[in-house]
Amino acid sequence: GEDVEQSLFLSVREGDSSVINCTYTDSSSTYLYWYKQEPGAGLQLLTYIFSNMDMKQDQRLTVLLNKKDKHLSLRIADTQTGDSAIYFCAETGTGKLIFGQGTTLQVKP
Amino acid sequence: ETGVTQTPRHLVMGMTNKKSLKCEQHLGHNAMYWYKQSAKKPLELMFVYSLEERVENNSVPSRFSPECPNSSHLFLHLHTLQPEDSALYLCASSQAPAHEQYFGPGTRLTVT
Repeated sequence: GEDVEQSLFLSVREGDSSVINCTYTDSSSTYLYWYKQEPGAGLQLLTYIFSNMDMKQDQRLTVLLNKKDKHLSLRIADTQTGDSAIYFCAETGTGKLIFGQGTTLQVKP
Repeated sequence: ETGVTQTPRHLVMGMTNKKSLKCEQHLGHNAMYWYKQSAKKPLELMFVYSLEERVENNSVPSRFSPECPNSSHLFLHLHTLQPEDSALYLCASSQAPAHEQYFGPGTRLTVT
């Protein structure tokens, strides 16, 4: 079945770049998404990439997609304390959205 | 009114109570979802409604009963819950299944 895997925890210093990685199994995914969840809140759609793209940049966010390896990454440049949250990747597998288990990003001042 | 709203934001209930969670979306979407988020567990999809018809039910216990009276409203009726049902319940909507989903803030449920 479809599966989405993420590492559970990442800690960086303020001002550094963060890279959150995700692997997925469904090669038929059309879109891949990154969501952010701040404490006590729902998930907020951050950005997405269409499966025929390699890269998408949106201000401090860069999404890289390696379709051959089924690997997706989210790079946050100049990470701020306000970026501390749980980040979920998701892919559109067979008519539904499949979420990873989330990566907790801790930003140290 | 912001995209997806949920009420109540917090709920404490005993195991013999009956309560309902409400979700409303103002985005003109056609699909709505209930998710359960427990500590240190992946997000669990519970129910999917598309055009007010249930299209997926991931083997959720019958003590959870969804209702989708129209494309803007979704309810989750709760009865005789167990302590392990304590979690954050998230509602989401999308234009269609497998499209990007927009989430509400969640209802934090505690079963005592």
